[in-house]
Amino acid sequence: GDSVTQMEGPVTLSEEAFLTINCTYTATGYPSLFWYVQYPGEGLQLLLKATKADDKGSNKGFEATYRKETTSFHLEKGSVQVSDSAVYFCALRVLPNAGKSTFGDGTTLTVKP
Amino acid sequence: DADVTQTPRNRITKTGKRIMLECSQTKGHDRMYWYRQDPGLGLRLIYYSFDVKDINKGEISDGYSVSRQAQAKFSLSLESAIPNQTALYFCATSDPGLAGDTGELFFGEGSRLTVL
Repeated sequence: GDSVTQMEGPVTLSEEAFLTINCTYTATGYPSLFWYVQYPGEGLQLLLKATKADDKGSNKGFEATYRKETTSFHLEKGSVQVSDSAVYFCALRVLPNAGKSTFGDGTTLTVKP
Repeated sequence: DADVTQTPRNRITKTGKRIMLECSQTKGHDRMYWYRQDPGLGLRLIYYSFDVKDINKGEISDGYSVSRQAQAKFSLSLESAIPNQTALYFCATSDPGLAGDTGELFFGEGSRLTVL
């Protein structure tokens, strides 16, 4: 079956540090890949996505590149801010089996001033 | 106002009680989902519905039931709650759109359920 493996947390960084959260996947078809972010007390919201190999998703200074050869979709940001503190989820969805999105376990990021 | 609204946001109940969590959306999406979030386990799909007449089990449907009352409403029921159903529950929607489902999910703010 489909699965997503995320870098274990929690991750604690100082403001302006470089962030990488690793994500690898296995899928029975050709997936679309997503990063969702969950701020404290809120639901998940889409951060970025990529739908085919070598696509780069980007938003709010975050980037991730769909690497089919390594089945990876690592999240990066060059300079984190305190406001980036949240839980980050990597997810995949294989269409046309669109009923099910598979999520990683989530990585908690804390950024200290 | 939120596009996907869940009620109640917090609920404490006792073992054996019947509980209903409600979800309504103003996004006009046909597809709706219920997920459960447990610490360190990510999100797991309970049920999903692609339209009013369509209900499908997810990976952890045992102990749960759902009702799709209208395009905008999708409720989750626990007929007889047990402590290991203590979790954070999320409703989500997606849009098949003219070009097909992009895969993006739109989430409510969550309903925290505690079963004593």
